[in-house]
Amino acid sequence: KNQVEQSPQSLIILEGKNCTLQCNYTVSPFSNLRWYKQDTGRGPVSLTIMTFSENTKSNGRYTATLDADTKQSSLHITASQLSDSASYICVVRGGGATNKLIFGTGTLLAVQP
Amino acid sequence: GAGVSQSPSNKVTEKGKDVELRCDPISGHTALYWYRQSLGQGLEFLIYFQGNSAPDKSGLPSDRFSAERTGGSVSTLTIQRTQQEDSAVYLCASSSPGGGETQYFGPGTRLLVL
Repeated sequence: KNQVEQSPQSLIILEGKNCTLQCNYTVSPFSNLRWYKQDTGRGPVSLTIMTFSENTKSNGRYTATLDADTKQSSLHITASQLSDSASYICVVRGGGATNKLIFGTGTLLAVQP
Repeated sequence: GAGVSQSPSNKVTEKGKDVELRCDPISGHTALYWYRQSLGQGLEFLIYFQGNSAPDKSGLPSDRFSAERTGGSVSTLTIQRTQQEDSAVYLCASSSPGGGETQYFGPGTRLLVL
């Protein structure tokens, strides 16, 4: 069954600290993996996208990694800011006939001053 | 327009009533998606429109749900005879063929069925 699991479900960190969010998937075949940021009351906004051959992708203080062999991805946030408080959603697109987007349930991050 | 817009932003209705949710995609985007996001749950795919092709309705949970996209632009998601379990945030997204499949989401419509 094609699934995307994220951990932790929620996380509280102090402003300025770093954190890493995890995404494990069982989607096969695989096309690409995206990380989205969803602020409360808003729609998700794309942060990064990675294909099978990409291991890392950065977007400012956000760095995503992908290990297609172990089917794991991480999103690392450096020097967190209060505005980073949001839900972070991992989304995997299946390849071939399984051309579907499969969403993780997200990690809720709260950055405290 | 700047982005995807949805209306209404909030909708409270009584069980059994019909509701219509509207999505205005980014101008020029040929693909349009509807998703449902329940509290504590991941986004659930509902329906996908791409240009003039037949829509992918594989995510619609029941025949009470339907969607139209007129003129390749505005889309309306209709829920008939609403049930309490239909309460959720309904998100619309659009993407362009040459945009790397990035989906741009609207702010969502928060539906509460009493």
